[in-house]
Formats: sequence, structure tokens, C-alpha cells
Amino acid sequence: SQTIHQWPATLVQPVGSPLSLECTVEGTSNPNLYWYRQAAGRGLQLLFYSVGIGQISSEVPQNLSASRPQDRQFILSSKKLLLSDSGFYLCAWSASGSGNTIYFGEGSWLTVV
Amino acid sequence: AQSVTQLDSHVSVSEGTPVLLRCNYSSSYSPSLFWYVQHPNKGLQLLLKYTSAATLVKGINGFEAEFKKSETSFHLTKPSAHMSDAAEYFCVVSRGSARQLTFGSGTQLTVLP
Repeated sequence: SQTIHQWPATLVQPVGSPLSLECTVEGTSNPNLYWYRQAAGRGLQLLFYSVGIGQISSEVPQNLSASRPQDRQFILSSKKLLLSDSGFYLCAWSASGSGNTIYFGEGSWLTVV
Repeated sequence: AQSVTQLDSHVSVSEGTPVLLRCNYSSSYSPSLFWYVQHPNKGLQLLLKYTSAATLVKGINGFEAEFKKSETSFHLTKPSAHMSDAAEYFCVVSRGSARQLTFGSGTQLTVLP
């Protein structure tokens, strides 16, 4: 069966510091991969999605970037964090192609201080 | 364009009583519809999904939802609430690809002893 792992689970970082959140998927090949952010009291916002290695689409302009160095690895990064980057970040995957269900990781809590 | 409205931001029920979480959608296409549950500080877990097969969809943990095209609704129900059902629930509509998901704002379910 397929599993998705995301880490770290919690992170407290000072303003201006870098960020790296990592996500890996097991048990499937060539998945679509996603990064979402869930700000406190708000819904989910799609940040990035990827349909293949090195193929990243950004949904919103922001201080963050994403990379997919391997088929089942998705990384969310920032060079300099802002206070507004605080939130709950969720990695997710779906089978390649359209019309497939999306499955979420356990999430990473980021607090920028 | 598509949208989803969860009609109640908070629902409280007593343990052992029925649960009804309401969701209305708007879509120009025949949509796929999903319900996810999120426990505190956790990722989203898929409860059930509708993809144009049977209109009554059964999910995990005793939940089910009925797709009513005439009412553009996809309400989530459970005959008897359990304390472990306390969580936030999200109704989601998809236009066909996982990238094109629209999330509702969520309904917080409280189960009283």
C-alpha cells in the first residue's frame, strides 16, 4: 500500500532563517505531489504541485519554493522566512493522471518567531 | 468555476445521536466530491468520495453521504456519534484533476458525553 511521510512534524524558526520541509511517498511511481498550507482558522491553500521530476507549478506568489529531486520526494523551501509563513503545511499525493483522489501527509507545524 | 459551501462552521451533538454535516456545491461539470476529516494537529484523512457511481456513498467509521444533484448537496451523516468523531470535517469538490480541488471552510464537530 502507499504511504506518505512528511517531516519535521513541528518547527520553530526565527524570521530570516531558511526552511526545508521534506516529503516522500512510498508504494507508487510517478505520483502527482502537492504542498498545501493551512493557516489558523482558514481553509487549505494549494502552494505547489508537481507532475514529475523537476516539474513544479506554483499556484500563488510567495516567499516559498518547491523542488522535486526524485520521483517520490518533494521539498518545500525558503531562503528567508517571514512571520506570515507560519502555518500548518501539508504534503499530499495522487496517482498520475486526472480524476484521482488526493491523500495527505500528517502535516508540519511551522512557527516563525 | 466551482465552489463548495459548508453550511455550519460548528456542530455539537451528544454521543450516540445522529450526525449531519451539510455541504452544498456549485460546479459547471459533473463533479467528484469528497469528505475529509482532520483531527487536531493531524493531516486530512479521506472519509469517502463520490465519482458519479452510486449516489449513496459509504465511507469509513460508519459515515455516509448522499449526492443529490437536484439540491446540489453532498451532506455527511452518521447514525450514532462517537467521542472519537470529534474533529474538523472538510467537503471538497473536484473538477476532474486533483490539482483542481476546492475545499470548503470546514465544520468543527463536537461530541458531548
